[in-house]
Formats: sequence, C-alpha cells, structure tokens
Amino acid sequence: GNSVTQMEGPVTLSEEAFLTINCTYTATGYPSLFWYVQYPGEGLQLLLKATKADDKGSNKGFEATYRKETTSFHLEKGSVQVSDSAVYFCALKTDSWGKLQFGAGTQVVVTP
Amino acid sequence: DTGVSQDPRHKITKRGQNVTFRCDPISEHNRLYWYRQTLGQGPEFLTYFQNEAQLEKSRLLSDRFSAERPKGSFSTLEIQRTEQGDSAMYLCASSPGLAVTDTQYFGPGTRLTVL
Repeated sequence: GNSVTQMEGPVTLSEEAFLTINCTYTATGYPSLFWYVQYPGEGLQLLLKATKADDKGSNKGFEATYRKETTSFHLEKGSVQVSDSAVYFCALKTDSWGKLQFGAGTQVVVTP
Repeated sequence: DTGVSQDPRHKITKRGQNVTFRCDPISEHNRLYWYRQTLGQGPEFLTYFQNEAQLEKSRLLSDRFSAERPKGSFSTLEIQRTEQGDSAMYLCASSPGLAVTDTQYFGPGTRLTVL
C-alpha cells in the first residue's frame, strides 16, 4: 500500500539556520505530493504541492522538489524564523477521489 | 470565503455515550473529507463525500461511526457507544471537486476526549 515516511522530530534550530525535513514515499501510480503545516493552536494549512515528477513547489520561502527517482519530496528553507515553529506534514494523494495520506509529522522549533 | 468550520471545538464525554460533530465546508465545495488525528501522528482518512453521496469509508470507520451529508452542504459525524480509543482530533476538510489536484482546506478540528 501507499505510505509516507518523514524524519522524526523535534528539529531544533536557531533563527536564520537552514532547514531540511526529509520525506520519502511509497506509492503505486503517480501521486501528487504535498506539505502541510500546523501552527500551534491552528488547523492544517497547505504549504506547497507538486503534481508531477521534477515539479518544484514553493511558498513562504519553503521549497520542495518532486523526485521520482528517489521517491522523495524533501522540504527546505534557507533561513528560518521563529514564526516557522510548527509541525510539518508530508502527504500524498493517488486516487481520483483525493484522499490524503500523511506522514507522522515533524515538529520544528526555531529559537531566537 | 469563511473557511471550514467545525463544532464543537472540544468535547469531553464518558465512555459509552454518543457524540455528534458538525462540519460546515467552504461554500460550493463539492468534496468533503473526515480525518482522525491522534497525538504525535498524522491525520488518517475516515470517509469522503462527493456532494451528498458517501463514496468511500476507511476500515478505521467501525460500525459505531456514521457520517452524513444531507443536501450536500454540512456534514455530521456520529460516534455511538464511545470508547477511550476514540479520543482524538477529528478533522474535516473540503475541496472544490474540480480536479484530482484540488487543494483540501482543513477546519480547526474537534478534539474528543473519552473518559
């Protein structure tokens, strides 16, 4: 079956540091890939997405590239801020009805 | 666009009681999804509606769970004879239903605690 694996957290880093969160997937067919973010006390928000191989999604300084050869969709940001502290979820979608399958989430803590 | 709303935000109940949650999707969104999220885990799919039709149910949705979406607008999720293992955050999401790659917009969730 389909699955998403994310690096475990928490990831703790200082402001302006470089952030990478690894995400790999197993899927039949050609999934669409997503990163969602959950800020403290808030609901899930779509951060970025990519719908086919080699696509790059980007938003708010975050980027992720759909790598079919390595079945990966790693999230990166060059310079994090305290406001980026949140839980980040990698997800995939394969069927036409669109249900999402999520990884376990990675908590990111950015300190001043 | 007022976003997806869920009610109540928190529910505490005793084991064996029935509970019902409501989700109001974004206006004119055809697709509505329910997910469950337990502590430290990502959301898990429960069920999906296309307008008023319930098209898929996860194996996680036991016979004690029922969901409806009358008239294709709001949806309700009922849990009968609650168990402590039902304690979780129940999330609702909606999408326009125009394409497979539609973005799903999530509500704030209903946190259920079963004592």
